[in-house]
Amino acid sequence: GIQVEQSPPDLILQEGANSTLRCNFSDSVNNLQWFHQNPWGQLINLFYIPSGTKQNGRLSATTVATERYSLLYISSSQTTDSGVYFCAVARRSSNTGKLIFGQGTTLQVKP
Amino acid sequence: DAGVIQSPRHEVTEMGQEVTLRCKPISGHNSLFWYRQTMMRGLELLIYFNNNVPIDDSGMPEDRFSAKMPNASFSTLKIQPSEPRDSAVYFCASTLGGTQKELFFGEGSRLTVL
Repeated sequence: GIQVEQSPPDLILQEGANSTLRCNFSDSVNNLQWFHQNPWGQLINLFYIPSGTKQNGRLSATTVATERYSLLYISSSQTTDSGVYFCAVARRSSNTGKLIFGQGTTLQVKP
Repeated sequence: DAGVIQSPRHEVTEMGQEVTLRCKPISGHNSLFWYRQTMMRGLELLIYFNNNVPIDDSGMPEDRFSAKMPNASFSTLKIQPSEPRDSAVYFCASTLGGTQKELFFGEGSRLTVL
């Protein structure tokens, strides 16, 4: 099956810093989403981004499908950005479109 | 707007007991997904329904697990009999229009089997 690798596994930032999270995948995809799991366990959809670039406030994401990676940018980080960030993809050749999740990047933003 | 609603939020039960988890998808969404999250295995898709019909149940661990979707606004995930290794957070999620759309999660049901 498709492999989804996220890096770094852990990240500690000082409030106000910027960061880039990476998601590599091993096959062509037609669906890629980024999620944030906050410290209370809620999973929030950040972006649906199978290709191209999107921005939402301090967050932006870019997917380069031909090179099989996606990047999530967090600017001017805040303590509320802490949590785990997941990338999830579905293989283009899949007949079910099942989303496969990476293992996540755990982000801690210190005040 | 109401999001995906799951119940119970927490369940503690003893090995061998039946567990039923419930989910109400976002109104108008026609695809529903059950995921399980553990430290060891991360987020795993158990089963998904499209228009109330199970499409992919290859992630259901074994016959002790079953899921139903009797109508567009309700689904259940049942474990019978439960075992300690079933302890996990079970998430329900829904989308509008199948697997190629944004996925919205409920708050999860934390199950502990003693």
